[in-house]
Amino acid sequence: DAGVIQSPRHEVTEMGQEVTLRCKPISGHDYLFWYRQTMMRGLELLIYFNNNVPIDDSGMPEDRFSAKMPNASFSTLKIQPSEPRDSAVYFCASRRTGGDEKLFFGSGTQLSVL
Amino acid sequence: GQSLEQPSEVTAVEGAIVQINCTYQTSGFYGLSWYQQHDGGAPTFLSYNGLDGLEETGRFSSFLSRSDSYGYLLLQELQMKDSASYFCAVRGRSNYQLIWGAGTKLIIKP
Repeated sequence: DAGVIQSPRHEVTEMGQEVTLRCKPISGHDYLFWYRQTMMRGLELLIYFNNNVPIDDSGMPEDRFSAKMPNASFSTLKIQPSEPRDSAVYFCASRRTGGDEKLFFGSGTQLSVL
Repeated sequence: GQSLEQPSEVTAVEGAIVQINCTYQTSGFYGLSWYQQHDGGAPTFLSYNGLDGLEETGRFSSFLSRSDSYGYLLLQELQMKDSASYFCAVRGRSNYQLIWGAGTKLIIKP
């Protein structure tokens, strides 16, 4: 299995631009989580989906952030417009219902907003 | 509120044993997990405790005491490659959402 796949690995953009981060979860996993990690705030859960349906988006900072999961194998996190304070590493993670407690993380997207 | 407390940094010597503690305060409890994250990498799962006691996986062990809202990760025979940050995380509800500690940076000296 290829694991959770995220793209791009690095993204550098200018303030005000739209940013789209992509994630392909592990096949068969029915939960998908978007996290943001910074030195100041640690790991923050932004939103998570179960069977492609958003369950809790209370961690999404503001209306500039949106996430979609059109099917079981693809999700996007969009920031529009981006701001310098959005600079962070964004992780996508997935897991399946039941079984063990493992949460599998993608390699992350290092986002820098100038 | 809900919170997890773990030391920000621990230093140990190669070949030694180190224990990283985690205390939690959550409205519910389904289990305590530990994750390892190397600099520039992603968190990777290490262990899980759903019930009281010790779980062992090779050089790593994890312990849980639900009555004390406390757990720890024990790393034995430390190797330089164990230098990383270690996070405890609690599943407070049945919906698999995790509450994360701030992480403990483990520094290993030769």
